[in-house]
Formats: sequence, structure tokens, C-alpha cells
Amino acid sequence: DTAVSQTPKYLVTQMGNDKSIKCEQNLGHDTMYWYKQDSKKFLKIMFSYNNKELIINETVPNRFSPKSPDKAHLNLHINSLELGDSAVYFCASSQDLGRLGKAFFGQGTRLTVV
Amino acid sequence: AQKITQTQPGMFVQEKEAVTLDCTYDTSDPSYGLFWYKQPSSGEMIFLIYQGSYDQQNATEGRYSLNFQKARKSANLVISASQLGDSAMYFCAMREGPTGRRALTFGSGTRLQVQP
Repeated sequence: DTAVSQTPKYLVTQMGNDKSIKCEQNLGHDTMYWYKQDSKKFLKIMFSYNNKELIINETVPNRFSPKSPDKAHLNLHINSLELGDSAVYFCASSQDLGRLGKAFFGQGTRLTVV
Repeated sequence: AQKITQTQPGMFVQEKEAVTLDCTYDTSDPSYGLFWYKQPSSGEMIFLIYQGSYDQQNATEGRYSLNFQKARKSANLVISASQLGDSAMYFCAMREGPTGRRALTFGSGTRLQVQP
């Protein structure tokens, strides 16, 4: 059983298109995240949801919109894709407890905008 | 200011030797957690080890140990008896605050290459 699964693994699309990446976790975690890893491997938080509530919204173009239909799912929709959006996007989840918990990551979605 | 600093972009180590990957952090929050993740060439992020700010002892997980020096704000990862499969990117990360609701802040990573 995959703990955090995201689809698709690879996504190649043209500039200007709209695309979505889906993420699901079966760990019963309360908090889910989207991270972006650029070409230099730097990982940066984009969004975080806790029990379907948006709690972190970093400086991200509003072409990116997260949606959490329930606490096990967090999708990322991107409008009007640009070349600079090419990156690996990771979904992650963690438990929202008093004790700090580790984040479990999905396998990543490599987005290439051409 | 950088919250997590990894000063070694790349490291080489001979198989079966130990290697230390450096990580320093910056926070004014008394409650925080420090994490190390491994990212092999296949791309997935693999959790290795965790150290809480209030933990009295250094964390260990098999061949991985974390050299936690709170006063120096350092959390170095030590890999003992390196194996060829340890070749990967290694990321240090921190979560600040008393709950798990905050996101991880990552360092820039260290690429480790294990040589036969």
C-alpha cells in the first residue's frame, strides 16, 4: 500500500494549458502539503491544508490553486502554464500532533512545460 | 536569512567508511524538530531520522545517527559504513513550533557519492 500517492508521475504539456496533479494519502494524517523542487533541487513549500482548511499559502502565483475535497486528498490545479513552472511537485502529509511528526512524501510529479 | 544551511554541495566517501553531512539551523522557537531526508536518483524523498529540540539524546536509526549540538544549532547526519546505495542527495529540514501544522523548511542539500 502506497502511503502518499500522486498522479501523474510525469506530465508534459504546452504553455498556456491548464493541468491538475492529484494526491491522496491513506495514513489518516490531518495535514497535507504541496512542495515545489526546482532544477537546483531546492524544495520550497507552496501550500498546506489541515483538515481541509488552508493554513499555509506561500507567495505562489494565483495560477496555482490547491483544492482539498477531504482530509485524505489534496489536488493542485495550475492554470495558464508557463515555462518557469517546470519542476518536480511533491505532495506530502504529516500528523498534526503536539509532538512534531515527520512528513511522508509522494513520489513526485515531474512537470515539463514546452 | 537562511533557516537551514547545508554548506557541502557535494561529498565523496569511500565504501565502508563513515561520513558526516553538515547542517546548521536558525530559529528562535524553543520547540522545533529536525529531519533528514534522502533523495536517490529515482527522485523519491525518503525519511531517515528525526531529532526533537527537547530530546536529550542524539537520535539513531540503524546506520544513521544525528549529532545534535543545540548550543551550536547544528544537526549533522552521520552515516556509518557507507554503502554504494547511499549515493544520493541528502536534505536537512526543520519544522518550528509545537504542532505538526507547520511545513518543513529545507536546506539546499548535499550530494553524496560513495566510491567503491
